[in-house]
Amino acid sequence: QQPVQSPQAVILREGEDAVINCSSSKALYSVHWYRQKHGEAPIFLMILLKGGEQKGHDKISASFNEKKQQSSLYLTASQLSYSGTYFCGTERRNYGQNFVFGPGTRLSVLP
Amino acid sequence: DSGVTQTPKHLITATGQRVTLRCSPRSGDLSVYWYQQSLDQGLQFLIQYYNGEERAKGNILERFSAQQFPDLHSELNLSSLELGDSALYFCASSGVTSGPRVGTGELFFGEGSRLTVL
Repeated sequence: QQPVQSPQAVILREGEDAVINCSSSKALYSVHWYRQKHGEAPIFLMILLKGGEQKGHDKISASFNEKKQQSSLYLTASQLSYSGTYFCGTERRNYGQNFVFGPGTRLSVLP
Repeated sequence: DSGVTQTPKHLITATGQRVTLRCSPRSGDLSVYWYQQSLDQGLQFLIQYYNGEERAKGNILERFSAQQFPDLHSELNLSSLELGDSALYFCASSGVTSGPRVGTGELFFGEGSRLTVL
C-alpha cells in the first residue's frame, strides 16, 4: 500500500526551510528518502531503520516515528540544487519485502 | 554512475507490439526492482526479484512479465502494447542494510528506458 506524502508541492526562496511528510496506514519497517530531478533517475538521500531514528547530512535531515508510522524530511536553508521531486519509500515487514514509493512532493527553490 | 545498467535507453514502437527491457544490477546486489513512471507521475512498483525468484508483485499488468536470470540480470517483457504504456521504466537494485536491523538497502537506479508507444 502506497504511503501518503504532503504537501504535494512547495515553492521556496533560497535560504528558506521546508518539511515534507510521509505517512502510512500500515506498520513500517523502514523509510527511505530519494530526490529525483526531471528526466533523471532518483538519487538516494537516506534510510531510517529504527523508530525514533534521526539522520542528516549537510542541511537535509529526516526523522522516523515508528509508532505513528510516519517520517519527515527537513530541508533547511534551501539551495537551488534542492529543487526536484522528493519521494519517500517504505518497507513493510512480513509483506514480501514490498518496497513502494509515495506519490512524491515537488519542491521548487527560487532565487 | 549507479552501477545499474538499463538497455535500451529509448524505444519507440507501435501499439500491439512486444518489447523487452533489460537490466544489469550493481555488482553484488541480489534484489532487482522494476518501476514504471508515466509523465510527471510517481514511481509505480511493478515487481521485485531476489536472487532469481519473484519476491513481491505490485500493480503489474498481465500483459507484462519479468524474470531474473542466474547471472542476476533481469528482463521486463511488455506485450500487446497500448498507448498508455508509454512511460519511463526504471530498474533498481539493492543489497541489505548492515547492523542489528536488516532491511532493504539503498536502491541504486538505472538511467531508465523511455518507451514510446505510437
